[in-house]
Amino acid sequence: RKEVEQDPGPFNVPEGATVAFNCTYSNSASQSFFWYRQDCRKEPKLLMSVYSSGNEDGRFTAQLNRASQYISLLIRDSKLSDSATYLCVVRRSSASKIIFGSGTRLSIRP
Amino acid sequence: GAGVSQTPSNKVTEKGKYVELRCDPISGHTALYWYRQSLGQGPEFLIYFQGTGAADDSGLPNDRFFAVRPEGSVSTLKIQRTERGDSAVYLCASSLTGDRNSPLHFGNGTRLTVT
Repeated sequence: RKEVEQDPGPFNVPEGATVAFNCTYSNSASQSFFWYRQDCRKEPKLLMSVYSSGNEDGRFTAQLNRASQYISLLIRDSKLSDSATYLCVVRRSSASKIIFGSGTRLSIRP
Repeated sequence: GAGVSQTPSNKVTEKGKYVELRCDPISGHTALYWYRQSLGQGPEFLIYFQGTGAADDSGLPNDRFFAVRPEGSVSTLKIQRTERGDSAVYLCASSLTGDRNSPLHFGNGTRLTVT
């Protein structure tokens, strides 16, 4: 079983829609959580960190459920420019590796 | 300011050859990470440096892979006796500190093709 699992998608939604995807992680000792965004043939870039209490950044909301070991990302009022692959990222501690999920592909149609 | 720089951007080599991939992190960043990414997959962890030392090298797939960071800045990933299965994009990232919440800044990657 992979340490970080994501639905690969693709999610194909119309502009303006709300879309959400989850990510599950297997190691309960994980301490830090992030969402990265990767455009086609580009490097990953940090979208947002995920905090225990949940956090929002504009149209993006991230939540963490430690009991069930999953992280979610909600995108409201989706834009064409949101089309990308969203990578779920987990880290146990400062001394440990940072693990990426396989990514969820999102495509926004006009 | 300059971001993470990786060279070469593309490398084509024959099976069995030796290759070196270079990563120049953002100035002042103490932590450096190597990943490789195949099409349709997320980045796969290889090795993580804190300063000059490898804090975690558990992702190196076998002893053909080796990485160094002798002065705590530039890092080189070395692959011996390359195999076709080594073909991938090799990504380097750095972060200001090794703190668990310190975000990664990625370079553009080196696309390695082994023929």
